[in-house]
Amino acid sequence: ILNVEQSPQSLHVQEGDSTNFTCSFPSSNFYALHWYRWETAKSPEALFVMTLNGDEKKKGRISATLNTKEGYSYLYIKGSQPEDSATYLCAFTLNYGGSQGNLIFGKGTKLSVKP
Amino acid sequence: ETGVTQTPRHLVMGMTNKKSLKCEQHLGHNAMYWYKQSAKKPLELMFVYNFKEQTENNSVPSRFSPECPNSSHLFLHLHTLQPEDSALYLCASSQTTNRLEQYFGPGTRLTVT
Repeated sequence: ILNVEQSPQSLHVQEGDSTNFTCSFPSSNFYALHWYRWETAKSPEALFVMTLNGDEKKKGRISATLNTKEGYSYLYIKGSQPEDSATYLCAFTLNYGGSQGNLIFGKGTKLSVKP
Repeated sequence: ETGVTQTPRHLVMGMTNKKSLKCEQHLGHNAMYWYKQSAKKPLELMFVYNFKEQTENNSVPSRFSPECPNSSHLFLHLHTLQPEDSALYLCASSQTTNRLEQYFGPGTRLTVT
């Protein structure tokens, strides 16, 4: 059974705090690692897709890193704002002979940012 | 409309009812997916369609019946469901099954009474 573990399950921070979450995944037969942002009652929105060990991606105040050898990715939010409140999902895909397998999701980290 | 839309957004049905969930994508994609999210569980893949052909059924009970009449539309027909089928059902699409990014709809919250 392939599992994606995300920690913490939930996080409450004050506006302006910086925070980070962890995603752990099996390191063998890796193809890609995805981060999604999911606000309540809306569609999950793709943040990053990373494929190479050492990849770092950034979008505004949010950034992510990838370590495929040890099987983890970090998502960082600098200076959290109330509008960052959402559930952050991590998903990885396996490499099937050069083709991408299906997305395997973690349970997510629910972030609440208080004004 | 843009992106991936789903209707209805909320559905309450009895165990003897037959209902259908609809998904439409306006992105010109060729692959479409159904996912299920039960309480306190991760998103679970149910079905995959690529160029209107079903390529994956993730051991889903036959009371869930998908239909993909064209690359823009995906349905999930429901009949004789159980209360434990109550969940959020999400549709997604991608250019093809081998493209990295999937685009999701907002989901249908299903309650089976």
